[in-house]
Amino acid sequence: AQSVAQPEDQVNVAEGNPLTVKCTYSVSGNPYLFWYVQYPNRGLQFLLKYITGDNLVKGSYGFEAEFNKSQTSFHLKKPSALVSDSALYFCAVRGGRTGANNLFFGTGTRLTVIP
Amino acid sequence: NAGVTQTPKFQVLKTGQSMTLQCAQDMNHEYMSWYRQDPGMGLRLIHYSVGAGITDQGEVPNGYNVSRSTTEDFPLRLLSAAPSQTSVYFCASRLASSGRAYEQYFGPGTRLTVT
Repeated sequence: AQSVAQPEDQVNVAEGNPLTVKCTYSVSGNPYLFWYVQYPNRGLQFLLKYITGDNLVKGSYGFEAEFNKSQTSFHLKKPSALVSDSALYFCAVRGGRTGANNLFFGTGTRLTVIP
Repeated sequence: NAGVTQTPKFQVLKTGQSMTLQCAQDMNHEYMSWYRQDPGMGLRLIHYSVGAGITDQGEVPNGYNVSRSTTEDFPLRLLSAAPSQTSVYFCASRLASSGRAYEQYFGPGTRLTVT
C-alpha cells in the first residue's frame, strides 16, 4: 500500500537560513505526492504537488520540493526561511489503504523558524 | 466563496451522547472527506464521499456515520461518543478530476472533547 514517512517530528531553523522538511515514500506505480501546511488553529492548506514532469516542483509562499525516485524522497525546501513559515507540515501520497481516491498523510513535521 | 465551513468550532460531550458535526462547501466539489487529527498520528480518514448519495469508509470509520444528500453538505454523526473520539475533526473537499484533482480544501476544524 502507498505510504509516506516524515522522519523528523520537529525542525528548527534560523530566519534567513535555508530549510528542508523531509519526506520519504513507498508506492507501487507512479507516485502522486503532496505537501500541505497547517498554521495554528487552522485547517490544512495545499502547498504543492508532484504528479509527473520536472523533479523540482515549485509551490506557494516560495516553497519547492524535489522528487527523487532513486531515494524515494520528496523533501520540501525553501532557500530563506521566514518566521511566518513556522507551522506544521504534512507530506501526503495518493492512495493507501483507502484506495486511489484518497490521500494518505504523514504524521507531520513542526517547523520553527527562530528570529 | 466561503470555501469549506464547519460547525461548531468547539464541542464538549459526555460519554454516550450523540451529535452531528456539520460541513458545507460552495465550490461544487464532488469529493468530500472527514479526517481526525491526533497528536503524533497525522490525519486519518474517517469517511469519504465521491458524490451525492455515495459514501464509503475510510481508515477509522467505527463510531461514525455519514450521509451525502446534496453536493454541498457532508455531516458526520457520532452515534455514542467515547473518550477515544476526543480529537480535532477536519472536513475537506476537492474536484474529482482536472489539473487540480487531489488538491484538497480543508475547513477550519472542530475541536471535540468527550468526557
